[in-house]
Amino acid sequence: EAGVAQSPRYKIIEKRQSVAFWCNPISGHATLYWYQQILGQGPKLLIQFQNNGVVDDSQLPKDRFSAERLKGVDSTLKIQPAKLEDSAVYLCASSSLQLSGNTIYFGEGSWLTVV
Amino acid sequence: AQSVTQLGSHVSVSEGALVLLRCNYSSSVPPYLFWYVQYPNQGLQLLLKYTTGATLVKGINGFEAEFKKSETSFHLTKPSAHMSDAAEYFCAVSGYSSARQLTFGSGTQLTVLP
Repeated sequence: EAGVAQSPRYKIIEKRQSVAFWCNPISGHATLYWYQQILGQGPKLLIQFQNNGVVDDSQLPKDRFSAERLKGVDSTLKIQPAKLEDSAVYLCASSSLQLSGNTIYFGEGSWLTVV
Repeated sequence: AQSVTQLGSHVSVSEGALVLLRCNYSSSVPPYLFWYVQYPNQGLQLLLKYTTGATLVKGINGFEAEFKKSETSFHLTKPSAHMSDAAEYFCAVSGYSSARQLTFGSGTQLTVLP
């Protein structure tokens, strides 16, 4: 079974530039998450989707971050304009109550460096 | 509200020695508890989880953890460390609400010495 796919794996941009990350969840998983993991810290939830609707985006910095999941499958996370403190790993994850119970599966992450 | 505290950001053990990584949680509802492992430049891989039932849970790679409600703990153990166990370990908690969100601890970096 294919896992959660993310791209690009690595990205280096200058501050004030924009970047977009893409995620394709495990097939059939209705719930999709984006987490931010800063070096030396645990992952922090940015946004959670159920199908194409937002369940929780309370920790998403909406002045610069946006995310969408238009068709309820893959998702894009965008940062514009980027700040130095946005340097982190952006982890996409997915789950399905029917297919995976309460287990959340993670992708390998997209590593962002802002210089 | 939920939170996780992992005691010790760095733990070193000798190969063949007992591994003990500590996790304490706070939750206003009965928790689901998880341990994930992260190898360098990789994502998070589920080691084991506790939802209901038996409080001692076994996971992959010889790891196990015991849910102790009275101590609000979910410590991770392995009887004999292997060099390949060197990685970062994250404890996480979620409630059984429909949201099913994970709240992570800050992680413990495990070093295995030859």
